[in-house]
Amino acid sequence: DADVTQTPRNRITKTGKRIMLECSQTKGHDRMYWYRQDPGLGLRLIYYSFDVKDINKGEISDGYSVSRQAQAKFSLSLESAIPNQTALYFCATSDYGHQPQHFGDGTRLSIL
Amino acid sequence: GENVEQHPSTLSVQEGDSAVIKCTYSDSASNYFPWYKQELGKRPQLIIDIRSNVGEKKDQRIAVTLNKTAKHFSLHITETQPEDSAVYFCAATGNTGNQFYFGTGTSLTVIP
Repeated sequence: DADVTQTPRNRITKTGKRIMLECSQTKGHDRMYWYRQDPGLGLRLIYYSFDVKDINKGEISDGYSVSRQAQAKFSLSLESAIPNQTALYFCATSDYGHQPQHFGDGTRLSIL
Repeated sequence: GENVEQHPSTLSVQEGDSAVIKCTYSDSASNYFPWYKQELGKRPQLIIDIRSNVGEKKDQRIAVTLNKTAKHFSLHITETQPEDSAVYFCAATGNTGNQFYFGTGTSLTVIP
């Protein structure tokens, strides 16, 4: 399901650096989400957006920010990366509430 | 918000046997319950879902049951095959449907 594309797929960086992860979709969905996945903790919601002017915090938004540049693009930024933000990050989209979410291939981020 | 608990965290079965994964949720207003399969290094993919107006749904070897009174739902895989080995996540949408609340995942291993 290459309709949700994340870049980069892998990133290694140093503590204190600013990092941006990008997500674009061709599914035409209004809703976009950013999740973080850690072993044993499942998928935890960072931020979500229902349109360009709508941004909402999720369960673990501290240390992260987002930008919805267009209906099809949703970026996640780490302003000053720290090692405990090392994780697998997923972007997802959905058409509207109570509907399946469709995930990108993920970005594996390592912060040294 | 919603709280979803998933058990067991790991499950090993012999090929051909059945596997059952159980989830409980806290918000009685939740009305959509998807299940995702995540193979190693891949994105989570929807395998089956159920809505609160239905008690059971089947798709070939996979079935999901929902008990609204007890607030739990289960994934049943029959005649397991090695390619069923993956991590499985349950989720619930809470009362607004704006977010997915994921369980912590079950790592299923099917032994040939």
